[in-house]
Amino acid sequence: DGGITQSPKYLFRKEGQNVTLSCEQNLNHDAMYWYRQDPGQGLRLIYYSQIVNDFQKGDIAEGYSVSREKKESFPLTVTSAQKNPTAFYLCASSKQGWNSPLHFGNGTRLTVT
Amino acid sequence: AQKITQTQPGMFVQEKEAVTLDCTYDTSDPSYGLFWYKQPSSGEMIFLIYQGSYDQQNATEGRYSLNFQKARKSANLVISASQLGDSAMYFCAMREDATSSSNTGKLIFGQGTTLQVKP
Repeated sequence: DGGITQSPKYLFRKEGQNVTLSCEQNLNHDAMYWYRQDPGQGLRLIYYSQIVNDFQKGDIAEGYSVSREKKESFPLTVTSAQKNPTAFYLCASSKQGWNSPLHFGNGTRLTVT
Repeated sequence: AQKITQTQPGMFVQEKEAVTLDCTYDTSDPSYGLFWYKQPSSGEMIFLIYQGSYDQQNATEGRYSLNFQKARKSANLVISASQLGDSAMYFCAMREDATSSSNTGKLIFGQGTTLQVKP
């Protein structure tokens, strides 16, 4: 079955370390997205990519970086510059078309101490 | 300014009854799409229903329907015959700048409503 895989499910890091969250999709979708969710809150867009080798900043890109070298993969790096990195991170993808829903992975819960 | 507003942080409903979750939005773009997602406690986001700004009829998907009032800029989700498994957080989301078939613009989410279904 096609879908989006995020790994790992839980991730623990020490403050000051960079960490990379994995996101892979086999839906053949062109667009991919990273969202951050804090407890009891909505989703905020970090970065998105509509095509390979191109990506745009979302609303809260500071302290994060991404790459899109392959259509299937859109890894997110949380750098030490991100002041409050502890959160739930959701990756999503969609087909072309403004009426296409986003399909989400199961998320990665990052805890930085 | 908030693009998507969900004014009900939490809601309770009795099993088998219907419930309406409110969503209002703000946009000057004539073309846009509205989406509802369900997020159970496990965290995954499940797509429920979609309404386009030019759709003449309210969207329906099984027990889910959308009460779309364009002039009021509201897109309320109605869940009929609530089940215990409907207990979750529900998000309304909007995609603007939908002016071409190649657009895959960003989806903006509301703060969510937590629904609890009572047995």
